[in-house]
Amino acid sequence: KQEVTQIPAALSVPEGENLVLNCSFTDSAIYNLQWFRQDPGKGLTSLLLIQSSQREQTSGRLNASLDKSSGRSTLYIAASQPGDSATYLCAVTGGFKTIFGAGTRLFVKA
Amino acid sequence: DGGITQSPKYLFRKEGQNVTLSCEQNLNHDAMYWYRQDPGQGLRLIYYSQIVNDFQKGDIAEGYSVSREKKESFPLTVTSAQKNPTAFYLCASLLTGANTEAFFGQGTRLTVV
Repeated sequence: KQEVTQIPAALSVPEGENLVLNCSFTDSAIYNLQWFRQDPGKGLTSLLLIQSSQREQTSGRLNASLDKSSGRSTLYIAASQPGDSATYLCAVTGGFKTIFGAGTRLFVKA
Repeated sequence: DGGITQSPKYLFRKEGQNVTLSCEQNLNHDAMYWYRQDPGQGLRLIYYSQIVNDFQKGDIAEGYSVSREKKESFPLTVTSAQKNPTAFYLCASLLTGANTEAFFGQGTRLTVV
């Protein structure tokens, strides 16, 4: 059974800091891994999608890496801004199921 | 535009009532999913369907039921057997197979009054 763990559960950083969010999964037989952002009371916004054959994806200040063999992914956020404050969720898809981690709640202080 | 539509956005249920949450997609995706999110928690899988007229239980299916009579629609019924139904419910869809991305609706917030 696939299990997805995100560390840390919560993070508070000053504006401008670079930061890393971690995601680990137990079953490496995945199709892809996605990182999502969720604002309070809202749905999910897809940030980055990494296919199983890829090692990383970049979008603006965001960079996500995938190491299937070790069951790990990281989301790197450069030069953080108060507008980045949200919950970040990673999800792995495999065997026609998408399983989520519990998320990392990020607060960027101005 | 293609996408997933969940309705209603907010739903209030009395104790002992069944309620049905709607999820419609026009992305021509084969697979559809229902997740539940509690405050401060991640998403937990309730039910999923890979093709029409077929669905499987997820991790927390008790007290819920679904149907998949059409490819575009995957309604979720929260029954009176669900003892703690107050939560945020999200529907998703994706093409079956590899190299595909999950798309989500904007969610339905269900409150028991």
